[in-house]
Amino acid sequence: GAVVSQHPSWVICKSGTSVKIECRSLDFQATTMFWYRQFPKQSLMLMATSNEGSKATYEQGVEKDKFLINHASLTLSTLTVTSAHPEDSSFYICSARRRQKIEKLFFGSGTQLSVL
Amino acid sequence: ILNVEQSPQSLHVQEGDSTNFTCSFPSSNFYALHWYRWETAKSPEALFVMTLNGDEKKKGRISATLNTKEGYSYLYIKGSQPEDSATYLCAFPYTGTASKLTFGTGTRLQVTL
Repeated sequence: GAVVSQHPSWVICKSGTSVKIECRSLDFQATTMFWYRQFPKQSLMLMATSNEGSKATYEQGVEKDKFLINHASLTLSTLTVTSAHPEDSSFYICSARRRQKIEKLFFGSGTQLSVL
Repeated sequence: ILNVEQSPQSLHVQEGDSTNFTCSFPSSNFYALHWYRWETAKSPEALFVMTLNGDEKKKGRISATLNTKEGYSYLYIKGSQPEDSATYLCAFPYTGTASKLTFGTGTRLQVTL
């Protein structure tokens, strides 16, 4: 089956630093990757959609300058949380889709970010 | 953003029990309904993508039904086993898209011996 690898699994950083999270599709080409965020006891909330070779599309209320997304190849998308603050502490998870139109998503295992 | 509601929030059953839970979604402009299973410390794994009213899909002991006219889907687990313990998520595409999904908060299932 299709595998999506996400690293790191967890990260603790100081306020003001930047954190990069990687999401790789290991055995398929992901034309589109999605980045979600989940706060405790809440649902997965879509942050942005990233298409290979083009700028990411951000959902309403998500700051594009704070959450930088790069989708440089068909197998790699990165999310960089810039100048992280404690309120950015959350669980971040990526998902990817292959070329088909209606299809299930393949998820990474998520990254728990804690900003001190 | 569309509302996807799941109930119950959590469920505790014994091994061998059969169980079911509900996902409610907007019935207008239906496109597809997804079910995922999310075990702790693992990646969410797709169970079903359902597109047709009245559709029923099955995977082992797990099955799902879909009613697009009234906006609900049921997930059934027959003869629950401890390995079925997970959070079960349903998701519904944003209007006009196929794969930008809005998720429910999930049903957390705990199966004990």
